[in-house]
Amino acid sequence: GESVGLHLPTLSVQEGDNSIINCAYSNSASDYFIWYKQESGKGPQFIIDIRSNMDKRQGQRVTVLLNKTVKHLSLQIAATQPGDSAVYFCAETRHTGTASKLTFGTGTRLQVTL
Amino acid sequence: SQTIHQWPATLVQPVGSPLSLECTVEGTSNPNLYWYRQAAGRGLQLLFYSVGIGQISSEVPQNLSASRPQDRQFILSSKKLLLSDSGFYLCAWSLEGPGELFFGEGSRLTVL
Repeated sequence: GESVGLHLPTLSVQEGDNSIINCAYSNSASDYFIWYKQESGKGPQFIIDIRSNMDKRQGQRVTVLLNKTVKHLSLQIAATQPGDSAVYFCAETRHTGTASKLTFGTGTRLQVTL
Repeated sequence: SQTIHQWPATLVQPVGSPLSLECTVEGTSNPNLYWYRQAAGRGLQLLFYSVGIGQISSEVPQNLSASRPQDRQFILSSKKLLLSDSGFYLCAWSLEGPGELFFGEGSRLTVL
């Protein structure tokens, strides 16, 4: 069945360096992908999204890359800051036409060291 | 602007007791509503979603049920809690069609 997973469960990055968090998905029919950030004890917060007709999208300090050939998604964070420490989830939609039924990966914990 | 509220934030319940978690959305009409569960250190699992009043879709068989008595109210319930029901429950809303989910702050349930 379809699944979304992450390659690295924990990523440790020095403050100021760039972070790259990777995600693999198996459903080639997925047409919409989202990255969420979840701080301890809180609900996930939207970071950035990308549709399957794009291969790159940039936000403020973040870039999402989509490689449909190998079904791979990545989140790049530039100049990582201590406030970026959190668990990051990728998610993909199962298109139903009405509800946005996101399938989430298991998450990657980003630890920013000083 | 739209906001989503969940309560209670924390709940400790004995096995066999009932459960009611509530979620309300403000600032939008006819949202899609969702209940997710997150086990400790794990990803999010979709439990229920609703595209309208009284319309509930269940994603996984379980000891829980959901109801949508009003357009912007979503309730997660159980008649008798199990130990395995412990977890972090997240309510979310979205507009119609595939798109971003907006999450509440979550309700942490511990069943003893």
